[in-house]
Amino acid sequence: EAQVTQNPRYLITVTGKKLTVTCSQNMNHEYMSWYRQDPGLGLRQIYYSMNVEVTDKGDVPEGYKVSRKEKRNFPLILESPSPNQTSLYFCASSSVGLAGVGDTQYFGPGTRLTVL
Amino acid sequence: KNQVEQSPQSLIILEGKNCTLQCNYTVSPFSNLRWYKQDTGRGPVSLTIMTFSENTKSNGRYTATLDADTKQSSLHITASQLSDSASYICVGPSGNTGKLIFGQGTTLQVKP
Repeated sequence: EAQVTQNPRYLITVTGKKLTVTCSQNMNHEYMSWYRQDPGLGLRQIYYSMNVEVTDKGDVPEGYKVSRKEKRNFPLILESPSPNQTSLYFCASSSVGLAGVGDTQYFGPGTRLTVL
Repeated sequence: KNQVEQSPQSLIILEGKNCTLQCNYTVSPFSNLRWYKQDTGRGPVSLTIMTFSENTKSNGRYTATLDADTKQSSLHITASQLSDSASYICVGPSGNTGKLIFGQGTTLQVKP
């Protein structure tokens, strides 16, 4: 089954304790991206990757790191989490069409992170 | 600045009624605009994509339109069902980069 998986689904942590949220897709997609969703603000892009070893900042990259060492995986790293990073996080992947980014994105189930 | 703005912010309708959601975009250069449906607590799912050459596209009871002159897209839902209750999000690529611009979404509630 084609899917994007995220782990963990729920996480409660404390300020400053490094954490990693994993994202994996089995569709051989070139493009992967991380988003956060907060009430009243909609989805905001954190980082994206057009292919292996190619990553770039989205609209809200501060406080986050990513890496793309393999095509299927795109982990999101919070080196020193703070309470303002409490949010619902989504990972997504898509192929890259002739017109560039814009093919259907497949979203993971989400990770609800609480930073105390 | 590339932007996608949606209206209304929220909408309540009775089951069986029709409704139209709006998306205004200032994404340049324009390549496509996509509508997603997001159920509460779940990831968005693509409904349809509008490219520059298309002005209408249907997916079941969902019909999207695109007016490239006014830079507006609309999503029309016909004969609404309770399962249509969700957020509807309009998304466009920011030029030729990998960035995507998301609207804030319209929250639709369909009541019996």
